[in-house]
Amino acid sequence: DVKVTQSSRYLVKRTGEKVFLECVQDMDHENMFWYRQDPGLGLRLIYFSYDVKMKEKGDIPEGYSVSREKKERFSLILESASTNQTSMYLCASSPIWDEQFFGPGTRLTVL
Amino acid sequence: AQSVTQPDIHITVSEGASLELRCNYSYGATPYLFWYVQSPGQGLQLLLKYFSGDTLVQGIKGFEAEFKRSQSSFNLRKPSVHWSDAAEYFCAFTGGGNKLTFGTGTQLKVEL
Repeated sequence: DVKVTQSSRYLVKRTGEKVFLECVQDMDHENMFWYRQDPGLGLRLIYFSYDVKMKEKGDIPEGYSVSREKKERFSLILESASTNQTSMYLCASSPIWDEQFFGPGTRLTVL
Repeated sequence: AQSVTQPDIHITVSEGASLELRCNYSYGATPYLFWYVQSPGQGLQLLLKYFSGDTLVQGIKGFEAEFKRSQSSFNLRKPSVHWSDAAEYFCAFTGGGNKLTFGTGTQLKVEL
């Protein structure tokens, strides 16, 4: 089975802190994605990566950055967390031209 | 603009009743279409996908979906709903690139 794991299920941070969300996949997929999910808005793409060290902005990249140093790992970074970044964050991976496999999500609360 | 619409935010059905969740897309060519399900507090799980060929697609957990090009729709159906089907359902599509566009989701409640 494809497995996508995320470093934390729940995270509480303070405004202004630097936050790292880690995602690891074990299926050698080329593509990896970070989404945020908010009620009534569905899933919105923050960033995605199609290869090591390659990244592309999604629909809502402001306030976020990403890092992909190894194929299996894709990190989302909040440089200075703000309360409007309180959300559910979902990581996904996929081979080229196929379905995405999702991790369990990280519910981030910024106080 | 490319988009996908799920017109129903919430749907309630009785256990054992049939279910249809609607999905409409806006795209100039044939899209690749997906239905995902999300149980509370969990990530998304793929139910089924349509790339080409037979327009009636069978998925897991007894779900099926039909691609109708003339109506730009990809509705999800199940003949008899179980209480464990209560979840949020997302339709998604891509025009062939690696990114998916998701609908805003339909929350399904099942009455016992």
